[in-house]
Amino acid sequence: QVQLVQSGAEVKKPGASVKVSCKASGYTFTRYSMHWARQAPGQRLEWMGWINAGNGDTKYSQKFQGRVSFTRDTSASTAYMELSRLRSEDTAVYYCARDSYSLGMDVWGQGTTVTVSS
Amino acid sequence: DIVMTQSPDSLAVSLGERATINCKSSQSVLYGSNNKKYLAWYQQKPGQPPKLLIYWTSIRESGVPDRFSGSGSETDFTLTISSLQAEDVAVYYCQQYYNTPWTFGQGTKVEIK
Repeated sequence: QVQLVQSGAEVKKPGASVKVSCKASGYTFTRYSMHWARQAPGQRLEWMGWINAGNGDTKYSQKFQGRVSFTRDTSASTAYMELSRLRSEDTAVYYCARDSYSLGMDVWGQGTTVTVSS
Repeated sequence: DIVMTQSPDSLAVSLGERATINCKSSQSVLYGSNNKKYLAWYQQKPGQPPKLLIYWTSIRESGVPDRFSGSGSETDFTLTISSLQAEDVAVYYCQQYYNTPWTFGQGTKVEIK
């Protein structure tokens, strides 16, 4: 079945970077774009951007521009999200989610908790 | 950015009764070239990722029970659960994907009365 499996929880110090992976299975990875979103404690979901898994084109939310980078490894059917210059406000659960061709985000990873603390 | 505002923030409904959640967008999410309203609804249970329920305002995702329905105009939308079941206890989010950044409502928590 279609599945996205994310890497495990991370604890980082302020100023550090974190890289979260999202391994896809059950479908042709390069045919769909992958979104990244996050949810801070008690906050609404926040869209970070997407990567076209086929050609690698990216679109970032302006809020994260310059601090986030999406990449992918097509041979491993895996997408990556790297967030740099972490601060305490970046403490959140980070999700990858498959784009469903203008139908929203139809498959989600299980989430990766990133904690930023000194 | 398009701001999505849901109401109420929470509601308690008896089993078998109707639950209605509203969502308002700060601007139209109607895509003129295909006459589709780019509005989706998600359900999130504790400790789980969101699950897509409805897209294009009113189309149920495959496998979603027909007690869930969506409707709306260009800026005002409604998610209705016609007969609340125990497994429907969750937080529900609306989301616009008309333009970037895609934005979500603040969520509505549905509980059993």
